[in-house]
Amino acid sequence: AQTVTQSQPEMSVQEAETVTLSCTYDTSESDYYLFWYKQPPSRQMILVIRQEAYKQQNATENRFSVNFQKAAKSFSLKISDSQLGDAAMYFCAYGGGATNKLIFGTGTLLAVQP
Amino acid sequence: GAGVSQSPRYKVAKRGQDVALRCDPISGHVSLFWYQQALGQGPEFLTYFQNEAQLDKSGLPSDRFFAERPEGSVSTLKIQRTQQEDSAVYLCASSLNQGPSQPQHFGDGTRLSIL
Repeated sequence: AQTVTQSQPEMSVQEAETVTLSCTYDTSESDYYLFWYKQPPSRQMILVIRQEAYKQQNATENRFSVNFQKAAKSFSLKISDSQLGDAAMYFCAYGGGATNKLIFGTGTLLAVQP
Repeated sequence: GAGVSQSPRYKVAKRGQDVALRCDPISGHVSLFWYQQALGQGPEFLTYFQNEAQLDKSGLPSDRFFAERPEGSVSTLKIQRTQQEDSAVYLCASSLNQGPSQPQHFGDGTRLSIL
C-alpha cells in the first residue's frame, strides 16, 4: 500500500524568505503523480503544484517549486519570497496506478512572520 | 466558473441521528470523491464515483455510511445512526476525467459534529 509521510508538523518563515516543506512517500508503482495542496482556515483544499513521476524535470509554479527525488521517494516543496497569504496547512498527496483516490500526508502548518 | 459546492457547511446532530451531506461537483466533471478529514489530520478517502457508478467504496468505515450519485452529478453522503467518532470535516472533490493525472477540485467541506 502507498503511504505519504510529512515529518514537520509545523514550520515558520519570515516574510520574503524561503522555506522548504518535506514529504516522503512509499510505493511500488512506477507511474504516479504527486501533489501539494494548501488548506487555509476556510478549509478549501487548493492545488499548489503537481509532479508527474515520469518527468525528471522539477515542476515550478511562480514562487512554488518542488525537489523531486524519485529514487529516494522524496518530494519537497520550496516556497520562495514567502508572503503572509502563504500561511496555511500544506498537504503532500499521492495519486497513482489503478486507484483514482489521493493519499494524503498529515500536513505541515506553515506560519509566516511579518 | 462555479467550483465544487457542499452543503450544509456545518451540521450538528445528536448521536444516533441520521445525516445527509450534499455535494454539487463542477459541471461536466465525471469523477467525484468523498474524503473524511479528522481534526489535525489529512483527508482520508471514503468513496469514488465515475458518473453514476460507484467504483470504489473501500474507504467507507462501516455499513452506516452510504453514498450515491444517481444521475451522475449531485452526490449525497449519508451516515446512519451517527456516532461521536463520525465527527469530522467531509470533503467532496471532482475531476474532469478519470485517472490520477486529473487534478481534483475540492469543496469547502461540511463540518459534522456529533453530540
